[in-house]
Amino acid sequence: EADIYQTPRYLVIGTGKKITLECSQTMGHDKMYWYQQDPGMELHLIHYSYGVNSTEKGDLSSESTVSRIRTEHFPLTLESARPSHTSQYLCASRRGTPTSEQYFGPGTRLTVT
Amino acid sequence: KNQVEQSPQSLIILEGKNCTLQCNYTVSPFSNLRWYKQDTGRGPVSLTIMTFSENTKSNGRYTATLDADTKQSSLHITASQLSDSASYICVVSDRGSTLGRLYFGRGTQLTVWP
Repeated sequence: EADIYQTPRYLVIGTGKKITLECSQTMGHDKMYWYQQDPGMELHLIHYSYGVNSTEKGDLSSESTVSRIRTEHFPLTLESARPSHTSQYLCASRRGTPTSEQYFGPGTRLTVT
Repeated sequence: KNQVEQSPQSLIILEGKNCTLQCNYTVSPFSNLRWYKQDTGRGPVSLTIMTFSENTKSNGRYTATLDADTKQSSLHITASQLSDSASYICVVSDRGSTLGRLYFGRGTQLTVWP
């Protein structure tokens, strides 16, 4: 079992609310990622970080923002949630070699009503 | 365009039977290919990672093959169990950046019936 954690596991909120999805890992990995996944569809990269104070946007445009103040922590924030944000959000981390294994957290299932 | 295509989209087999899942990719330059298992409502878990020079790799009842010339891979599951019911995702990494970007397939949804 990978040492990468996400909270909450499930979240149902109303439109317009601000939310933060938490992700933490205890493996000392520099590289961390956020993916969005809809049912039956592939994972889409929305944010990534190669280390503290380093964040970049991924391939899929997202209204969310991320921060990386500590190596082990990579939270994702939505300032004003909308129904279109309803999805599964997966956090991942890995070491800095090309063939290093990428470990995924259990995911947060977000529903915006 | 870098893509990863998987087939079949879904598959139902009886417990104890074998099955093979397919993955075709157009990712270039190629670095490595991974197979992940994703249980419903969970994050993906790595099964195998293969580089260009590797033709086959096993992990218990899972055996992955890679043909880098034809850009094809397969995942063979032997003596299936009910716990094998999951989505199996093929992921290909390129060598275009320092770490390598990952390209995900949509997965094959496998259901094992008793």
